[in-house]
Amino acid sequence: DAGVIQSPRHEVTEMGQEVTLRCKPISGHNSLFWYRQTMMRGLELLIYFNNNVPIDDSGMPEDRFSAKMPNASFSTLKIQPSEPRDSAVYFCASRVQDQPQHFGDGTRLSIL
Amino acid sequence: EDQVTQSPEALRLQEGESSSLNCSYTVSGLRGLFWYRQDPGKGPEFLFTLYSAGEEKEKERLKATLTKKESFLHITAPKPEDSATYLCAVQARAELTFGEGTQLTVNP
Repeated sequence: DAGVIQSPRHEVTEMGQEVTLRCKPISGHNSLFWYRQTMMRGLELLIYFNNNVPIDDSGMPEDRFSAKMPNASFSTLKIQPSEPRDSAVYFCASRVQDQPQHFGDGTRLSIL
Repeated sequence: EDQVTQSPEALRLQEGESSSLNCSYTVSGLRGLFWYRQDPGKGPEFLFTLYSAGEEKEKERLKATLTKKESFLHITAPKPEDSATYLCAVQARAELTFGEGTQLTVNP
């Protein structure tokens, strides 16, 4: 079975540019989670969706961050404009009701 | 607010030297405690879920236990391929709250 697929794996861009991260959850999973991982703060939940509907976005750091899930097989996390402090590894995870979350291999984002 | 504290931050073992990792937590209404393994450049990989105090689960050289305040991940006779960061997380609602992790290195 294909796991959670994230793209791109690496992204290097300049400050002020728009960044779009993509995630394809595991087929049949109805919840999707976006996390950010840094050395200083570890893994932090940014937002999660249930049945394509955003449920809790309290972890989204600022209005520069937005996330969408237009259908059950695709989600995006967008940063506009990007800043150097947004540099981190961004993970997407999915699960089916009451089962463990399964993670993708992340997008390593570097903002210069 | 849910809190998870893992110790030690880093642990070096010789191959075959058994040890334990600790995960202390405070949460209102625990629905599950999760252990994940993370290798460099990879996402966390699910290992175990524990639901209630007294529960134990095993997988190869790993055994996870749970009390009302903490969980232990026991590693018996570790091998170099067990080297990774081990993450503990608690679930009270839908989302997980993660600890900072324990970076385990097993030397041959």
